[in-house]
Amino acid sequence: AAGVIQSPRHLIKEKRETATLKCYPIPRHDTVYWYQQGPGQDPQFLISFYEKMQSDKGSIPDRFSAQQFSDYHSELNMSSLELGDSALYFCASSSILRGSYEQYFGPGTRLTVT
Amino acid sequence: KNEVEQSPQNLTAQEGEFITINCSYSVGISALHWLQQHPGGGIVSLFMLSSGKKKHGRLIATINIQEKHSSLHITASHPRDSAVYICAVMEGAQKLVFGQGTRLTINP
Repeated sequence: AAGVIQSPRHLIKEKRETATLKCYPIPRHDTVYWYQQGPGQDPQFLISFYEKMQSDKGSIPDRFSAQQFSDYHSELNMSSLELGDSALYFCASSSILRGSYEQYFGPGTRLTVT
Repeated sequence: KNEVEQSPQNLTAQEGEFITINCSYSVGISALHWLQQHPGGGIVSLFMLSSGKKKHGRLIATINIQEKHSSLHITASHPRDSAVYICAVMEGAQKLVFGQGTRLTINP
């Protein structure tokens, strides 16, 4: 069965650079969630989208923005990167319209800021 | 105090032992996830439950909504079960709030 796809899997950037992380949800899933997991920390919710509209917002810095496109894939844009942005970024998807709230996680993108 | 508390934080056991990991939460939830995270970082959803009990292979998850408590049990544990197990509660239909995880090590 198709799973959530994230790209790239690994990304190394320097301070003050920008990064774009991509998430491709499971086919026919309408909701995408982004989570950030710092080293040794619990994942923290960043933002979610339902049917291409932002549905909830967590502890996402103003330097970050995200959107969900017409094909339901989502991109997380991160600007003016800081050392503290180094983390594992997970995307998850679910199908709220079909009443399935279980979230399925992608493999994550490991971002290292140097 | 965290909204989601897990215990124990670390657990080491011998192969074959029965394992229990507990999760308590302080907020109203619509559902609770049990997740497994391996050293490589990937997260796998084991269960989502909002009442009662679910079983999948050697894994059993229970939840008591009134007591705001859930448990994950592993029967006949195996070294390949070694991972971090995370309890995460769903508030509404959206975000998950995660516990701090339980690091399980099963020795052969």
